[in-house]
Amino acid sequence: AQTVTQSQPEMSVQEAETVTLSCTYDTSENNYYLFWYKQPPSRQMILVIRQEAYKQQNATENRFSVNFQKAAKSFSLKISDSQLGDTAMYFCAFMKESGYALNFGKGTSLLVTP
Amino acid sequence: GAGVSQSPRYKVAKRGQDVALRCDPISGHVSLFWYQQALGQGPEFLTYFQNEAQLDKSGLPSDRFFAERPEGSVSTLKIQRTQQEDSAVYLCASASRQGPSWEQYFGPGTRLTVT
Repeated sequence: AQTVTQSQPEMSVQEAETVTLSCTYDTSENNYYLFWYKQPPSRQMILVIRQEAYKQQNATENRFSVNFQKAAKSFSLKISDSQLGDTAMYFCAFMKESGYALNFGKGTSLLVTP
Repeated sequence: GAGVSQSPRYKVAKRGQDVALRCDPISGHVSLFWYQQALGQGPEFLTYFQNEAQLDKSGLPSDRFFAERPEGSVSTLKIQRTQQEDSAVYLCASASRQGPSWEQYFGPGTRLTVT
């Protein structure tokens, strides 16, 4: 079974600053997918960024980027130029290459302050 | 177009009551998922449909939980004889295809409180 660990229950960052959220996972799979989802207080979960394990290049989506370290089984999310609207729960998730179900971590609550 | 919708948004049930939670996926989406999110936890997979076929129900916690998608569109998650441990947010997600290449779009969830 795959486990996803987010070791930071809560984080805070000032507007316009950069913050990094940590995620580690445990798997015996060689190929898989990793995701970061954002869940604002309204509770509608939305996909922030996705990484295929077979790709060495780190994924980037505007202000969001990841640092994927396959050997270390680490998948951190960097948010640059933080905005108040980034305040949310952030979940790291894993999916097997042959799978369909997302396996989530417990989440990190991010607060962006003015 | 419209996203995934769920109803009701909030449900309070007395222990022992049956409840039915509805999910309207994005039109045309083949895959549909149910997840359970307990307070302070990440969502946990319950079950997966491809069209009307329930391909995986391994995450359903007990035989009191039942899900259906009879016409390959709307899905209902039914919980019989609710217990306090069933209190959680139930999330529905849909995807246009199957597999990890296809983004799962989530609904707002139904918050179930069993008293």
